[in-house]
Amino acid sequence: ETAVFQTPNYHVTQVGNEVSFNCKQTLGHDTMYWYKQDSKKLLKIMFSYNNKQLIVNETVPRRFSPQSSDKAHLNLRIKSVEPEDSAVYLCASSFLGDQDTQYFGPGTRLLVL
Amino acid sequence: GDSVTQTEGLVTLTEGLPVMLNCTYQTIYSNPFLFWYVQHLNESPRLLLKSFTDNKRTEHQGFHATLHKSSSSFHLQKSSAQLSDSALYYCALSGTYQRFGTGTKLQVVP
Repeated sequence: ETAVFQTPNYHVTQVGNEVSFNCKQTLGHDTMYWYKQDSKKLLKIMFSYNNKQLIVNETVPRRFSPQSSDKAHLNLRIKSVEPEDSAVYLCASSFLGDQDTQYFGPGTRLLVL
Repeated sequence: GDSVTQTEGLVTLTEGLPVMLNCTYQTIYSNPFLFWYVQHLNESPRLLLKSFTDNKRTEHQGFHATLHKSSSSFHLQKSSAQLSDSALYYCALSGTYQRFGTGTKLQVVP
């Protein structure tokens, strides 16, 4: 099956903890993205990687750090989570080029207590 | 900088009535790509349609949109709303990266 896969689906944690999310795509794309979708459904890009190279790094707190081992994998680590980090984190992939369609994974819902 | 403006908030329509969701944009690029993504409840966004050709109608799954560079618009339309069209719709603009609008929630009622 060709798609974008994310783990975990859902994660509940407490303020100050560290969390990690994983994303894998089997679509053969060379570019991957992390988006944050908040409770108002605003969709904001956080990071973008092309062939393991960071190409977009929007203004996000330093506690967020992405990591890419190869063009098919993109992870996101959040050190010391805060309540405002509660959101759905969506991973997406595409071929390089802003005009290319993005394919989204199912998302990881994070709840920070 | 680049920006996308969509119809704000919630649009409620009666089944069978026409749909029009507004999208306007600002960009420094002369040949932008415009996209409409749809997100149904408990799903992730997926592409509905896209275009980069001025004044050409693009259609998919009963929806259509025409990019008008003169007015910087890319409105989404459908002749007759169905209950299954209830979803969140995002307009997006190409640029340094795809920039998404704030989303418009469409609710179709019987």
